[in-house]
Amino acid sequence: SQKIEQNSEALNIQEGKTATLTCNYTNYSPAYLQWYRQDPGRGPVFLLLIRENEKEKRKERLKVTFDTTLKQSLFHITASQPADSATYLCALDPFANQAGTALIFGKGTTLSVSS
Amino acid sequence: DTGVSQNPRHKITKRGQNVTFRCDPISEHNRLYWYRQTLGQGPEFLTYFQNEAQLEKSRLLSDRFSAERPKGSFSTLEIQRTEQGDSAMYLCASSLVAGSNGELFFGEGSRLTVL
Repeated sequence: SQKIEQNSEALNIQEGKTATLTCNYTNYSPAYLQWYRQDPGRGPVFLLLIRENEKEKRKERLKVTFDTTLKQSLFHITASQPADSATYLCALDPFANQAGTALIFGKGTTLSVSS
Repeated sequence: DTGVSQNPRHKITKRGQNVTFRCDPISEHNRLYWYRQTLGQGPEFLTYFQNEAQLEKSRLLSDRFSAERPKGSFSTLEIQRTEQGDSAMYLCASSLVAGSNGELFFGEGSRLTVL
C-alpha cells in the first residue's frame, strides 16, 4: 500500500541542539517533497521544497535532504530555539510530474524545544 | 492580498444539520484545494479545483459532501446531514498553476464540531 511515515509523533530536544525529523514513503515516486510547519489551531505554512534531482536544500537554519533510493527525506533544524516548537509535516506529490495533483501529507512530528 | 481566508473559523452544529464553509483564495491563484484534518493526523485531501473546474475528488469524499467554485474565485464546501465523524478542521489552500514550486498556501481553517 502507499503511505508516508514520519518517524515519531513527538521529538523533545534542548535549545541549541539540532533536531532531525524523518519522512519515509512507500510505493510513491514523487518528483518533489515538501515540508510544512503547523502551529496549534493554525493552517500549515510552507517551509521548503526539494526536487528528486536535488540531494540537499538549505534555508537559514533549515536543511532538507532527499534520498530517492531510500525513499526518505530528512529535515534538520540547527541551533534549535523554543520558537521552533511546532508540528512539522512532510508532503509529496503522489504522481510525479503531473502538475497540480494534490499533495499527500504525513501525520507530522511534533517538536518541542526546551530552554 | 492578505492570504487565504476561511469562514467561519468555528462552527458547532447538531447531527443531521447542514453546514457550509467558504474559502477565499489568494486572488491570482488558479488552484484551490480542500483538506480535512483531525487531531493528531496530517491534512487529508478532499478535492481540488483549477479555476472553476473540479479536477479531482478523494474516494473519502462521500456524497454528503459537495464543493463548488462557481466563478473560479471563492469556493464553498457543504456537508449535508452532518455526522459526529465529520468533526474536524477543514482546511483550504491555494496555489499558482504556472511558475509555481507547487507550494500550497493554507488558510487558518474552519473547525467543525458536530454534537
